[in-house]
Amino acid sequence: DSGVTQTPKHLITATGQRVTLRCSPRSGDLSVYWYQQSLDQGLQFLIQYYNGEERAKGNILERFSAQQFPDLHSELNLSSLELGDSALYFCASSAGARETQYFGPGTRLLVL
Amino acid sequence: DQQVKQNSPSLSVQEGRISILNCDYTNSMFDYFLWYKKYPAEGPTFLISISSIKDKNEDGRFTVFLNKSAKHLSLHIVPSQPGDSAVYFCAASAAEYGNKLVFGAGTILRVKS
Repeated sequence: DSGVTQTPKHLITATGQRVTLRCSPRSGDLSVYWYQQSLDQGLQFLIQYYNGEERAKGNILERFSAQQFPDLHSELNLSSLELGDSALYFCASSAGARETQYFGPGTRLLVL
Repeated sequence: DQQVKQNSPSLSVQEGRISILNCDYTNSMFDYFLWYKKYPAEGPTFLISISSIKDKNEDGRFTVFLNKSAKHLSLHIVPSQPGDSAVYFCAASAAEYGNKLVFGAGTILRVKS
């Protein structure tokens, strides 16, 4: 158990819909990262937050957004969903900027 | 572009023998490297890391070697155990890019008993 929790574990929705994925980092960790793992792209970095502020962005689509709240949990919002958004979404956390990242169990999203 | 490459999709090893997983990178800015293990339906689990100022780091049965001139790193598992069977991901980061990890495609390790 990494100490990072993600909800929900599974999510099935339809094209065009909007979903919110939630992540709670390890106790004391200030940084939260979101990654997407799809069959054809592997594990891809989406976005990083540090203590509530956006720190780095990867190839995150404009339809996707994230935020980190004062209690340090984070949410990833995916809107106007397309079939190709079906993937595993992982959240990771670390204590600081260059510390080891610990991953949550992931949310499996299926868009039908 | 694939900046981190794991060219072997799979590896099969006998229990008790050494497993060697390889990883190559192209971006010379990378200065921190990690190995993660992943079981199906679980998130990646951190195994071991190495900074670019070192060429070797050891933790129990796991040793990571870094050859900066060749832009190559490897993970040695000795002795291999059936419970080591999983997908192994190599990842790299650079100070210039914050702490985002760039992952390889993974290598499936099967340890046969």
